[in-house]
Amino acid sequence: GDSVTQMEGPVTLSEEAFLTINCTYTATGYPSLFWYVQYPGEGLQLLLKATKADDKGSNKGFEATYRKETTSFHLEKGSVQVSDSAVYFCALIHTQGGSEKLVFGKGMKLTVNP
Amino acid sequence: GAGVSQSPSNKVTEKGKDVELRCDPISGHTALYWYRQSLGQGLEFLIYFQGNSAPDKSGLPSDRFSAERTGGSVSTLTIQRTQQEDSAVYLCASSLAGTGLSEQYFGPGTRLTVT
Repeated sequence: GDSVTQMEGPVTLSEEAFLTINCTYTATGYPSLFWYVQYPGEGLQLLLKATKADDKGSNKGFEATYRKETTSFHLEKGSVQVSDSAVYFCALIHTQGGSEKLVFGKGMKLTVNP
Repeated sequence: GAGVSQSPSNKVTEKGKDVELRCDPISGHTALYWYRQSLGQGLEFLIYFQGNSAPDKSGLPSDRFSAERTGGSVSTLTIQRTQQEDSAVYLCASSLAGTGLSEQYFGPGTRLTVT
């Protein structure tokens, strides 16, 4: 079945460091891909998404490009801030027979120190 | 506007008791989802409702779990005869159309602890 594999961490970076969180997927077809973020004490929220190959999703300085050839959707940010400390989840949408569900990676906890 | 709300925010129950978790989706959203977040298993899909269609219950881990959605709005997830392995955060989400393209908006979750 469909699955998502991502870096699990935890990872600690200094402010203004470069961030990459690797994410690869296995799926039938070409599902929409997502990055969700969970800030401390808050609910899960969508960070960015891409719906087809070569699409680039971007938000709050984060970017991820849908790479069909490598089945990847790596998350990057050029300069992280303390406020980016959170757990990041890569996900795909699985649709079948009129149903749909998000399939998540395990999540990666990021801590950014000043 | 109001987001997805869930109640209670925390629930502690004794093993063997039944519990009910409630989800109020965003008004106008026809699709509703339940997920479970636990340390060992990560985020797992439980059940999907879309309008008046039969729900997809394929993610429910056992027959102790059931869910219903009344009037196309509020949903209740019921766990009967709770076990310690049911301890987790139960998340509800809703989306506008359930097309695979519309964003799923998540509630804050209910943290269930079974003692």
